[in-house]
Amino acid sequence: GENVEQHPSTLSVQEGDSAVIKCTYSDSASNYFPWYKQELGKRPQLIIDIRSNVGEKKDQRIAVTLNKTAKHFSLHITETQPEDSAVYFCAASKTGNQFYFGTGTSLTVIP
Amino acid sequence: DVKVTQSSRYLVKRTGEKVFLECVQDMDHENMFWYRQDPGLGLRLIYFSYDVKMKEKGDIPEGYSVSREKKERFSLILESASTNQTSMYLCASSPHGGIFYGYTFGSGTRLTVV
Repeated sequence: GENVEQHPSTLSVQEGDSAVIKCTYSDSASNYFPWYKQELGKRPQLIIDIRSNVGEKKDQRIAVTLNKTAKHFSLHITETQPEDSAVYFCAASKTGNQFYFGTGTSLTVIP
Repeated sequence: DVKVTQSSRYLVKRTGEKVFLECVQDMDHENMFWYRQDPGLGLRLIYFSYDVKMKEKGDIPEGYSVSREKKERFSLILESASTNQTSMYLCASSPHGGIFYGYTFGSGTRLTVV
């Protein structure tokens, strides 16, 4: 099956700085890559996704890049704010039915 | 506008008890999933279902079973709870394959087995 690795496991940044979280996947047939944000005590929420026919997607302060050749994708958060503090999960899917998740990154934005 | 509802937020059970975790979604989704979430291990798939009365094992099905008698409801059963099943359990649903909308998660059930 698919194997998704996510790094780093923890990340601390100063407010206003950028944060980058990286994931790699093993199955070259995977073609859909969502990112979820889970605030403390809350459910994971989809924040952005990218499909394999696109190299980059941006939504305000967050962006995701995909390198199909290298089988890795990254989440970029610019101008970080304290409310960005959360656990972020990457995932990969090739069917749209089942997702394989990374182990999560705990992001802390220091005011 | 809660769309995936898990019946209990917190649950404390004794070792050996049979435990039922319930999940209901109101989005008419075909797919439903049960994950457990543990620090450093992320989200691990226990069981999933693509249709009523259909179930498939995920990565860590041992000690668990599931039931899907109706499209909107997916139950996770711990046949004989053990302390190593203390965890956060997350239910999720999604539309059927080919439609890449991602999952909708429930709020989670934090189960403690004592």
